[in-house]
Amino acid sequence: KAGVTQTPRYLIKTRGQQVTLSCSPISGHRSVSWYQQTPGQGLQFLFEYFSETQRNKGNFPGRFSGRQFSNSRSEMNVSTLELGDSALYLCASSRNPGQTIQETQYFGPGTRLLVL
Amino acid sequence: KQEVTQIPAALSVPEGENLVLNCSFTDSAIYNLQWFRQDPGKGLTSLLLIQSSQREQTSGRLNASLDKSSGRSTLYIAASQPGDSATYLCAVKPGGGNKLTFGTGTQLKVEL
Repeated sequence: KAGVTQTPRYLIKTRGQQVTLSCSPISGHRSVSWYQQTPGQGLQFLFEYFSETQRNKGNFPGRFSGRQFSNSRSEMNVSTLELGDSALYLCASSRNPGQTIQETQYFGPGTRLLVL
Repeated sequence: KQEVTQIPAALSVPEGENLVLNCSFTDSAIYNLQWFRQDPGKGLTSLLLIQSSQREQTSGRLNASLDKSSGRSTLYIAASQPGDSATYLCAVKPGGGNKLTFGTGTQLKVEL
């Protein structure tokens, strides 16, 4: 069974540009969450999607957005990139939207974004 | 606002030693707590999940305990091996939904 896949694995962008990252969840999983990991702030929750609807949103500016498609694949977009957006972006999938206390999330390998 | 802290931030031990990693959280109203492992530049691997009603979970050489009332969890690693070298993260789930609040991590190095 294939795990969570993220593309691209590495990206280099310049300030002011925009970027789109993609996440394909494990087959049968309908919930996708996104996290940002930086050395200074650690792992921070960005947002969660289930059945094409955003269920939860973290404390990030509106430049960060996402969506989910009918096949559960998800994309996140960052517009007007800033140097501080350089980070490892991780997505995680689970079967359901966290309504059971033993629900485990499975993480992808991440996309490393460098903003110059 | 939930805050999760892990101590120590870094730990270096000789192979074979038993060790304990600590995780504390400020809001005891959690759904569950998970321990993850992260290898350099990689994603996270779930090690153990403890439900809010449980006291501990075991998997192989790993044992995690949870004391919800005091806001603490520990991860015990028995007979450590060089392959255990990684960053260990704990994360709490506050309720419905899949949002996790992560701790600051403990970077473990097991030396030969």
